[in-house]
This record gives sequence, C-alpha cells and structure tokens, in this order.
Amino acid sequence: NAGVTQTPKFQVLKTGQSMTLQCAQDMNHEYMSWYRQDPGMGLRLIHYSVGAGITDQGEVPNGYNVSRSTTEDFPLRLLSAAPSQTSVYFCASSPYRVADTQYFGPGTRLTVL
Amino acid sequence: KQEVTQIPAALSVPEGENLVLNCSFTDSAIYNLQWFRQDPGKGLTSLLLIQSSQREQTSGRLNASLDKSSGRSTLYIAASQPGDSATYLCAVWRNNDMRFGAGTRLTVKP
Repeated sequence: NAGVTQTPKFQVLKTGQSMTLQCAQDMNHEYMSWYRQDPGMGLRLIHYSVGAGITDQGEVPNGYNVSRSTTEDFPLRLLSAAPSQTSVYFCASSPYRVADTQYFGPGTRLTVL
Repeated sequence: KQEVTQIPAALSVPEGENLVLNCSFTDSAIYNLQWFRQDPGKGLTSLLLIQSSQREQTSGRLNASLDKSSGRSTLYIAASQPGDSATYLCAVWRNNDMRFGAGTRLTVKP
C-alpha cells in the first residue's frame, strides 16, 4: 500500500491564481480530511468527507472547495489564492470517522506571493 | 470551542532520561485522543490512540494516559534516545472534528 499520497510537494502561486492539491489513499478508508499547519499553531481542519459524495466544512473552510467523487480521491481547490493561504497542507484518512487512527500524507508546502 | 494546549513548547533532555509531555483540552466530551510524532518537513505519524473509555495505552517505550474529567493527557517516554527527537502533537476528536495542540518540540542530546 502506498498509504496517503499528496501532490505536489511544493507549489508557489501568485495572488489570485487557482489550483488543486491532490490527495489519494489506497486503503479503502471512508473518512478523509484536509488540514493546514501554520508556524506555532496546531493543525486546523479545513474540510472533511465521511464517504464518496459527502463533504462538510471544518474549522477554517473559507477560500477552499472540496469534492469526493470516489473513495480514493479527495482534492482540495484554492479558488483565488491569497497570501494568508501560505501554509503546509496535510491530507489524512481513517477507516471510520470516529474511533480510528488517522493516517497522514507527507504534506504540500504552498507559498502564495 | 475546543482548545488544546501543550506544555512545554520545547524540551531538551540528555539521552537516557525519562520524560513527560503534557496535553490539556477544554471540552471533556471527546471520542478519543491521539498522540502524533512529526519529524521536520514530514507528515504526522500516529503513536498512540486512547479511546474516551480508556485510561491509558502503551507501545514500547511510550505510555499515554487520559483523564477526561480533568481534560488532561500525558505522554511518557522512557529511556529517551536521540532518535526520539521530533515534535509531538496531541489531538482530540469529537463530531468529525479533530483539534490539535501546537506541539512540543523534543530534542534528545547524545
């Protein structure tokens, strides 16, 4: 199993540009989520999904969209990038939303100029 | 709103020492608490998961305890090694939402 994979590893955007961060898992996990990590702060939940076709907002959803058309993939879209979105983004998955260990991807480091 | 605090923010110890990392949370209505390790520039690796009905979990030299009523968890590392150097994060889970502390950066000196 590859586990949770994320692409790209690094990305630089200009203000106003849009892009999609990719996340995939091959463990047939129902629950997937996106977090951002900023210096000196813990990870904060952006969006999550409890299964294909079902998504919901987390703590900091503004400026981001998600969709879940398959169990495996959970892309995160930045609609119009802003410098405040400069961060490290992590995707995670777990077999079931409540009681299970979460598995994290390696992260995408995004810089918005 | 759930808030998670980790103290200390950084810790430096000599090799072989036993140490305790602390995590506190404001809302005791949690489903579980998880401890993670994060190496520089890397993702998170799960160390221990404690369900709300449990008091502790152990894995090798690691032992995590949970006291829901007081909103506290500790991660005990026995006989620390330089390879234990990393940032340790705790996170509490409730209602599809996982809240993280800012982490404790641990350095174990040879």
